[in-house]
Amino acid sequence: AQTVTQSQPEMSVQEAETVTLSCTYDTSESDYYLFWYKQPPSRQMILVIRQEAYKQQNATENRFSVNFQKAAKSFSLKISDSQLGDAAMYFCAYRSRLSNTGKLIFGQGTTLQVKP
Amino acid sequence: DTGVSQDPRHKITKRGQNVTFRCDPISEHNRLYWYRQTLGQGPEFLTYFQNEAQLEKSRLLSDRFSAERPKGSFSTLEIQRTEQGDSAMYLCASSYPGVGGGGTEAFFGQGTRLTVV
Repeated sequence: AQTVTQSQPEMSVQEAETVTLSCTYDTSESDYYLFWYKQPPSRQMILVIRQEAYKQQNATENRFSVNFQKAAKSFSLKISDSQLGDAAMYFCAYRSRLSNTGKLIFGQGTTLQVKP
Repeated sequence: DTGVSQDPRHKITKRGQNVTFRCDPISEHNRLYWYRQTLGQGPEFLTYFQNEAQLEKSRLLSDRFSAERPKGSFSTLEIQRTEQGDSAMYLCASSYPGVGGGGTEAFFGQGTRLTVV
């Protein structure tokens, strides 16, 4: 069974600085997707960025980028130029490409605090 | 369409009572998921529907839990004889088939927070 681990329960960053959130996962599959989701307080979870495992190039979305290390099974999220609106809980998630259900397996989450 | 809608947003119930939650997915999405999220934890998969067919259920979904999606539109999640351990946020998500395995990205609702007293 696949597992996702986020070892940083809480992180903080100064506004305009850069922060990296860590995620490791375990799977025997070679083809899968990895995601970072953001869950602001009392608001719905939204997708931040997605990475296909077969792609060597790291995904980027504006200020958000990932460092995908397939052999190490590591998938970190870098947030550049942090903004107050980035404060939220961040979840790393895995989805098998083989399974047709599309269900997500989430890590425990990292709460990000952004200091003005 | 304003996204995935869940009702109610909050529910407080006494132990032993039955509760039912509703999820309205994005209209063109045929895939629907229920997850449970306890405080400070990541969501855990409960069940998956493709159209009206319930194709996967987690072992977390005990006999007291039942989910339906009549006509492949909205879905309901019912918990019978609630227990204090059922207190959690219940999240619904939907997605479109797309290409490749598992469909497109999942869009989440705001969840229903259940408190069992």
